[in-house]
Amino acid sequence: DTGVSQDPRHKITKRGQNVTFRCDPISEHNRLYWYRQTLGQGPEFLTYFQNEAQLEKSRLLSDRFSAERPKGSFSTLEIQRTEQGDSAMYLCAGQTSGGSNEQFFGPGTRLTVL
Amino acid sequence: AQSVTQPDIHITVSEGASLELRCNYSYGATPYLFWYVQSPGQGLQLLLKYFSGDTLVQGIKGFEAEFKRSQSSFNLRKPSVHWSDAAEYFCAVALYSGNTPLVFGKGTRLSVIA
Repeated sequence: DTGVSQDPRHKITKRGQNVTFRCDPISEHNRLYWYRQTLGQGPEFLTYFQNEAQLEKSRLLSDRFSAERPKGSFSTLEIQRTEQGDSAMYLCAGQTSGGSNEQFFGPGTRLTVL
Repeated sequence: AQSVTQPDIHITVSEGASLELRCNYSYGATPYLFWYVQSPGQGLQLLLKYFSGDTLVQGIKGFEAEFKRSQSSFNLRKPSVHWSDAAEYFCAVALYSGNTPLVFGKGTRLSVIA
């Protein structure tokens, strides 16, 4: 158990709908990362936070994507006007900066856009 | 830009045989390198990491990896494979330093036969 939970584990939606995913790391994880993994590929970085500050966004993160970490604890990733190309596994990872440099991954949220 | 290449998409080995998974990276400075394993339905788990020092690093589950700067490689090895090692293996390099986003390879799927 990595201590990082994600909700929901699976989400099926219709094209054009908005979806929101949640990630809950442990309190020691001051850094939080979001990645996207499509079939047959490795995870691709989307964005990350240091406490509540969003430090970097990948060019993969289009304007339809937004992420927040309002109190430096849990984080949400919202996708607006979903497209079929958004179908993927969305992974969240927590990390303690100044620690072992290990990122602890949650189980992921699998999104299917019909 | 940093990149990771895993030349082998799929490898099949017999139980008890030795294993080597290849990883080549592209990075301008001293790389922070990782190997993760992803079992079906499971999250990513860190096997081992290299930041500096001894170029042969030991990890969990009997895995080891050797960093070779001259070859820009960080290959993963195990002397005797168990059926439970069947999984997807990802090599990754940190974008900037240890506490920063990871760039993953596309992964190598390992099958183990009796």
